[in-house]
Amino acid sequence: DAGITQSPRHKVTETGTPVTLRCHQTENHRYMYWYRQDPGHGLRLIHYSYGVKDTDKGEVSDGYSVSRSKTEDFLLTLESATSSQTSVYFCAISETVNEQFFGPGTRLTVL
Amino acid sequence: GQSLEQPSEVTAVEGAIVQINCTYQTSGFYGLSWYQQHDGGAPTFLSYNALDGLEETGRFSSFLSRSDSYGYLLLQELQMKDSASYFCAVRVGEGTGANNLFFGTGTRLTVIP
Repeated sequence: DAGITQSPRHKVTETGTPVTLRCHQTENHRYMYWYRQDPGHGLRLIHYSYGVKDTDKGEVSDGYSVSRSKTEDFLLTLESATSSQTSVYFCAISETVNEQFFGPGTRLTVL
Repeated sequence: GQSLEQPSEVTAVEGAIVQINCTYQTSGFYGLSWYQQHDGGAPTFLSYNALDGLEETGRFSSFLSRSDSYGYLLLQELQMKDSASYFCAVRVGEGTGANNLFFGTGTRLTVIP
C-alpha cells in the first residue's frame, strides 16, 4: 500500500472556525489531491497540486485553500467552516496517469 | 462540463457474473478508471482503460468504447467480499491537471449467498 496518512482522522468543529487537514505521503509522488465525498455525489475534487508550491482549483474549491511547502505534505484549510462542509475528506497521490492512491480519509463534522 | 452515469445499486448472487456500466459526457477524454470502495474505507484502484477494448485483471475486467462514450466493469466468480461501491472516473485534463479524475456517483454492489 502507498504510504499516505491523513490527520486528524475525525474532527468535530463549530461553524465559523478555521480547520486544517493534513495529508502526508512517503512515496515522493508528484501529484496530490484533496477530494470530498458526500452521499449522492461521489468524490469531488477540491484542489490539487502538481509540485511543491504548485496548486490549482478543482471542481468544488470555494471555501477551501491549500498549501504544499514540501513534497510530502499537502494541507487543506477550511477558512471558516460551515455546516455544508461536513463531509469525508480524502487525500490522494499519483505519479502516473493510471492510478491514484487514496489515504484513509478524515471525517469532519461542522456543528 | 462532465457527467457520468452509472446505476446506483446492483445485486448479484455469489459465484455469478455482474456488469456495471458507465456512460460519460465530457469536454475532453483521456481514459476511464474504476475504483472500489468498501464501507468505511478508502477508494482503491481497479483498472484504467485509455484505448478501446477489454482489459483483464484476474476476476475483474474493464471495457471501453470511446466511440460510444461507454465502459463497463465486469466482475466474475463473485465473492461476498466484492460487496462494495464501484466508481467509474474519467481523466479529462491536460497540462497541470492531466491526471485529474472526474468521478461518477458510484454503484453499490451487494453480493448475496
